[in-house]
Amino acid sequence: GAVVSQHPSWVICKSGTSVKIECRSLDFQATTMFWYRQFPKQSLMLMATSNEGSKATYEQGVEKDKFLINHASLTLSTLTVTSAHPEDSSFYICSATPRGRVNTEAFFGQGTRLTVV
Amino acid sequence: AQSVAQPEDQVNVAEGNPLTVKCTYSVSGNPYLFWYVQYPNRGLQFLLKYITGDNLVKGSYGFEAEFNKSQTSFHLKKPSALVSDSALYFCAVRDIPYSGYSTLTFGKGTMLLVSP
Repeated sequence: GAVVSQHPSWVICKSGTSVKIECRSLDFQATTMFWYRQFPKQSLMLMATSNEGSKATYEQGVEKDKFLINHASLTLSTLTVTSAHPEDSSFYICSATPRGRVNTEAFFGQGTRLTVV
Repeated sequence: AQSVAQPEDQVNVAEGNPLTVKCTYSVSGNPYLFWYVQYPNRGLQFLLKYITGDNLVKGSYGFEAEFNKSQTSFHLKKPSALVSDSALYFCAVRDIPYSGYSTLTFGKGTMLLVSP
């Protein structure tokens, strides 16, 4: 199956600093990638849709200036949490679907545990 | 708008017994249905999907799911549970037709606990 690699798997940062999370599709191209946030024992909340070569589409209530998304190539999307605060601590997961494949499932990264202290 | 309901927060079953994790959905058109499993601090792993064809879909690790259009359900099943099946299970739906991209809508998740 297709592989999505997410890095880092965990990160601890100080309040006020920024953190970048990378999501790479290793063996396929993805025009679109998705970023989710998951709170403990809860479902995935879609934050934004990352579109290669254009601006990301954010879900209602998600601050686009806080969560910067860049999708510079067909295999890489990045999520930068800017001026992180403790309430940003969460589990962040990306996913991607191979370009042009209509009936396929989405493939997920391993997730990133962000802890802001 | 599409939605998914997983009515059980947790399902408990003894090892060796059959298990069922329930899922119902709502979409405006024909659905693409998926089951994913998540282990602690990990991403989601794909188990199986229904796109079209046979209503009984077989997937990874011995899991299967039955698509029931009249009941708008897609329950996950396994004939004999293993302790290692203990994890968080998510049902998801995607509308078709595919329009450039389609977002997945997830249920809230069901924790499966298999006791020895």
